[in-house]
Amino acid sequence: DVKVTQSSRYLVKRTGEKVFLECVQDMDHENMFWYRQDPGLGLRLIYFSYDVKMKEKGDIPEGYSVSREKKERFSLILESASTNQTSMYLCASRQGGGGADTQYFGPGTRLTVL
Amino acid sequence: DQQVKQNSPSLSVQEGRISILNCDYTNSMFDYFLWYKKYPAEGPTFLISISSIKDKNEDGRFTVFLNKSAKHLSLHIVPSQPGDSAVYFCAASEGTDKLIFGTGTRLQVFP
Repeated sequence: DVKVTQSSRYLVKRTGEKVFLECVQDMDHENMFWYRQDPGLGLRLIYFSYDVKMKEKGDIPEGYSVSREKKERFSLILESASTNQTSMYLCASRQGGGGADTQYFGPGTRLTVL
Repeated sequence: DQQVKQNSPSLSVQEGRISILNCDYTNSMFDYFLWYKKYPAEGPTFLISISSIKDKNEDGRFTVFLNKSAKHLSLHIVPSQPGDSAVYFCAASEGTDKLIFGTGTRLQVFP
């Protein structure tokens, strides 16, 4: 069974803190993605990765960075958290390239920045 | 600029009736469309998809219709069940690795 796990379901951080969100998939998928979900805005792509050590900016990369040192793990980093980064963060993975392949999502991390 | 739009933020339907969720897009180069379903406190799960070379795809109670000339797709759920209550996102891709998601429609199916 396909599994994408995220390190925390809920996280509360203070403005200016460095925040790490971890995502692990057990399907040996090539592609991994980080989204944020906000009311009225849907899911917006922050960063994605085709392969180990490779990364591409999504639609809203500002204020974020990512790391993919191992195929199964994709980390999202908030270098200096701000209140406007309070959101639901969703990680996803997919085997192949192209929109036809299904993305599998983790349960999400609800981050609150105070 | 929102390339994929779901203009109805919410929809309420009686159990047993048809639910119709709509999605409009602006990019005529999109070649694949998907619907995802999301329950609270869970990640989205894939529901059904359609290629731009087709105008209909059916999977059990779920049917997706694509009207390329109108740049419009819709998801039909027949019959609707209380377990269908969730947020539904449509998404589109242009043959790249990226999916563009809509803003979502919250469906509530009441007894």
